[in-house]
Amino acid sequence: GENVEQHPSTLSVQEGDSAVIKCTYSDSASNYFPWYKQELGKRPQLIIDIRSNVGEKKDQRIAVTLNKTAKHFSLHITETQPEDSAVYFCAADPGGYQKVTFGTGTKLQVIP
Amino acid sequence: DGGITQSPKYLFRKEGQNVTLSCEQNLNHDAMYWYRQDPGQGLRLIYYSQIVNDFQKGDIAEGYSVSREKKESFPLTVTSAQKNPTAFYLCASSTSSGGSEQYFGPGTRLTVT
Repeated sequence: GENVEQHPSTLSVQEGDSAVIKCTYSDSASNYFPWYKQELGKRPQLIIDIRSNVGEKKDQRIAVTLNKTAKHFSLHITETQPEDSAVYFCAADPGGYQKVTFGTGTKLQVIP
Repeated sequence: DGGITQSPKYLFRKEGQNVTLSCEQNLNHDAMYWYRQDPGQGLRLIYYSQIVNDFQKGDIAEGYSVSREKKESFPLTVTSAQKNPTAFYLCASSTSSGGSEQYFGPGTRLTVT
């Protein structure tokens, strides 16, 4: 089955700096890679996603990159703000009737 | 916060008792999921269902059971066979095609003593 590894498990950055979270996956059939943000005490919510036919996607201060050959994808947050503090989860989804596999999460702390 | 709901928010049970967690969605989604969230372990899939009257085991199905009699509802029963049931449980739903966003409920925190 699919195995998703996520690093680092915790990340502290100064406000205004960039943050990068990396994930690797094992199943080459995975073709959809979402990122979810979970604020303290709240439900996870999708912040950005990428499909296997695209190498990079941006949405304001957030970007995701995908390297299919190396089977890894990364979340980039620029100009971090205190409200970016949360736990971020990556996931790999083979689509169809196959299950989605999540990473173990990264707790991001943005220090004002 | 509409769309997918879970009840109750907090649940307390004694060891040896079965307990059922509710999950309801009005998004007209075919697929529904149950995850268990423990500190440092991310979201682990318990069961998922792509269509009414059909469901599949996830990675940690032992000690749990589900039913999918209606499109809107996907209840999870935590049985006495689950050795460590105290956890935060999240329900989610998505469109049936796969490769799509999952919408999560607010979660139920279950404590078994």
